[in-house]
Amino acid sequence: DIQMTQSPSSVSASIGDTVTITCQASQDISSWLAWYQHKKGKAPQLLIYAASSSQSGAPSRFSGSGSGTEFTLTITSLQPEDFATYYCQQANSFPLTFGGGTKVEIK
Amino acid sequence: QVQLQESGPGLVEPSETLSLTCTVSGGSISGSYWSWIRQPPGKGLEWIGYIYSSGSTKYTNYNPSLKSRVTISVDPSKNQLSLGLSSVTAADTAVYYCARATPHSKFYLDSWGQGTLVSVSS
Repeated sequence: DIQMTQSPSSVSASIGDTVTITCQASQDISSWLAWYQHKKGKAPQLLIYAASSSQSGAPSRFSGSGSGTEFTLTITSLQPEDFATYYCQQANSFPLTFGGGTKVEIK
Repeated sequence: QVQLQESGPGLVEPSETLSLTCTVSGGSISGSYWSWIRQPPGKGLEWIGYIYSSGSTKYTNYNPSLKSRVTISVDPSKNQLSLGLSSVTAADTAVYYCARATPHSKFYLDSWGQGTLVSVSS
């Protein structure tokens, strides 16, 4: 299985800040990566697929980059509704595997 | 817009079989890939498996770590998919989600249910 490692596990930020989350794959997955936002008790939401493609309906302040084994999710101008947990997921092969999550908290 | 809703017993006894249903509304269950994913308390997400169904064509793919205990099926007449997990232990306690894969790739999950908590305990 491909292991996905996210960092940091949590980050405290203020409204308007830029937040960067990284995800590392245990092997080359090209651009086969997704990012999800998850709020407690709600359905997870797909934000980014293919490492940098925005899912329909995702706010433009969310952007993804990277390829190979290193990936980044950037949230620019953090909004109150962005406080949530974010997960990366490799889409290179089954079984699908996820990172451990990054919780974005209010400073 | 497709919506998914998981349902089933919130408590299952050890060694029994966990059975959950996911009801799909706003779209057909046929012609798409449908996955089950779970999240144990305080832990990350674990993909369980998927099913694809279209007419008489059905195929599944399970996580090798659970393959011997998992069954995923669909009932097109009810627009539902089901999850069965046998011989459960406390380690199977988790929030269970169903999700649909995007039309362009079975690897990305663009619609999820809110999840249902299943506890394994006597």
